[in-house]
Amino acid sequence: DTGVSQNPRHKITKRGQNVTFRCDPISEHNRLYWYRQTLGQGPEFLTYFQNEAQLEKSRLLSDRFSAERPKGSFSTLEIQRTEQGDSAMYLCASPAGNTIYFGEGSWLTVV
Amino acid sequence: AQKITQTQPGMFVQEKEAVTLDCTYDTSDQSYGLFWYKQPSSGEMIFLIYQGSYDEQNATEGRYSLNFQKARKSANLVISASQLGDSAMYFCAMRGMDSSYKLIFGSGTRLLVRP
Repeated sequence: DTGVSQNPRHKITKRGQNVTFRCDPISEHNRLYWYRQTLGQGPEFLTYFQNEAQLEKSRLLSDRFSAERPKGSFSTLEIQRTEQGDSAMYLCASPAGNTIYFGEGSWLTVV
Repeated sequence: AQKITQTQPGMFVQEKEAVTLDCTYDTSDQSYGLFWYKQPSSGEMIFLIYQGSYDEQNATEGRYSLNFQKARKSANLVISASQLGDSAMYFCAMRGMDSSYKLIFGSGTRLLVRP
């Protein structure tokens, strides 16, 4: 158990629907990262937060994607009007010293 | 730009033998960190080992060691005494020292341990 929890673990949705993923990071750690991993690839950085401030967004994060971290605790990643290309695993990560811990990931399948 | 290269898409190793998974990196940063993660079929990314660019000793964590050759820009993972449970995807990653500290990952190596 890394102390980073994500839910839901699996989500199947129809194209065009909205989905939201939640991440609860290691408590009292002020940084939180979102990554996306498609089949056969390594994870790719999407965005990160320092407390409640979203400090960087990747080009991968189109305007259909929005991430929030109210009060600097848990974070949500919402995808609006999902497309089949959004099918991937969405990973949340929380650093602790020189170690970066990942959650178990949220698998998204868009049909 | 930073880049991680893992040239072995797949590897086999006999149970109880040692195996080396290759990783080379490219960066212009003087200070950086290198990581290895294990990803079983269930999907979670499991942290294995970390090496800082200024660390003089190679990092070790149990059966895992990182063969760090700075001049060659390589950070190979050595798994000793392979176990069946070591069968998984293995990812090498690098963190630069920009303010984001985000990780850049390689494409991974699938390791299969034979009984």
